[in-house]
Amino acid sequence: GIQVEQSPPDLILQEGANSTLRCNFSDSVNNLQWFHQNPWGQLINLFYIPSGTKQNGRLSATTVATERYSLLYISSSQTTDSGVYFCAVERKDGGATNKLIFGTGTLLAVQP
Amino acid sequence: GAGVSQSPRYKVAKRGQDVALRCDPISGHVSLFWYQQALGQGPEFLTYFQNEAQLDKSGLPSDRFFAERPEGSVSTLKIQRTQQEDSAVYLCASSLATGTGVYNEQFFGPGTRLTVL
Repeated sequence: GIQVEQSPPDLILQEGANSTLRCNFSDSVNNLQWFHQNPWGQLINLFYIPSGTKQNGRLSATTVATERYSLLYISSSQTTDSGVYFCAVERKDGGATNKLIFGTGTLLAVQP
Repeated sequence: GAGVSQSPRYKVAKRGQDVALRCDPISGHVSLFWYQQALGQGPEFLTYFQNEAQLDKSGLPSDRFFAERPEGSVSTLKIQRTQQEDSAVYLCASSLATGTGVYNEQFFGPGTRLTVL
């Protein structure tokens, strides 16, 4: 099956710092989503980005589908950005099911 | 509703008990998914519904796990004779449509944390 790897596995930042999270995947995809799982366990949608670049406030993401990777940029980090960031993909030719395969996650801690 | 809701939020069961977990998807969403998230791991796919049809149950770990969505809206995940290894967070997600494109974006509920003693 498709492999989804994220790096770094964990990251500690001071408030106000910038960071880049990476997601590599081993096969062509129809769908790629970035999520933030907050300390209460809720998965919050950040981006639906199978290709191209999107920005939403302090966050932006870029997916280069031909090279099978995606990047999530966090600028001017805040303590509320803490949590686990997941990349999830739907494999192209995965059949009728649009199931997501999740990466290993990046645990982010932003210190005041 | 405004988002996907799940109940109960927490469930403690004694080994051997049956449990039922409920998911209310976003109104009008055709696709519904169940995922299982073990501690420290990413969510893993269990099963998929398109309206009331269960099209994929390849992720269900054993025949003790059963899911239904009889009217194409609310879904229930049932686990019979629970075992300690069933302890996990069970997440439900829904999406507006099927196929490819932005309407495939999945939205998740808050999950049910199941602890089997």
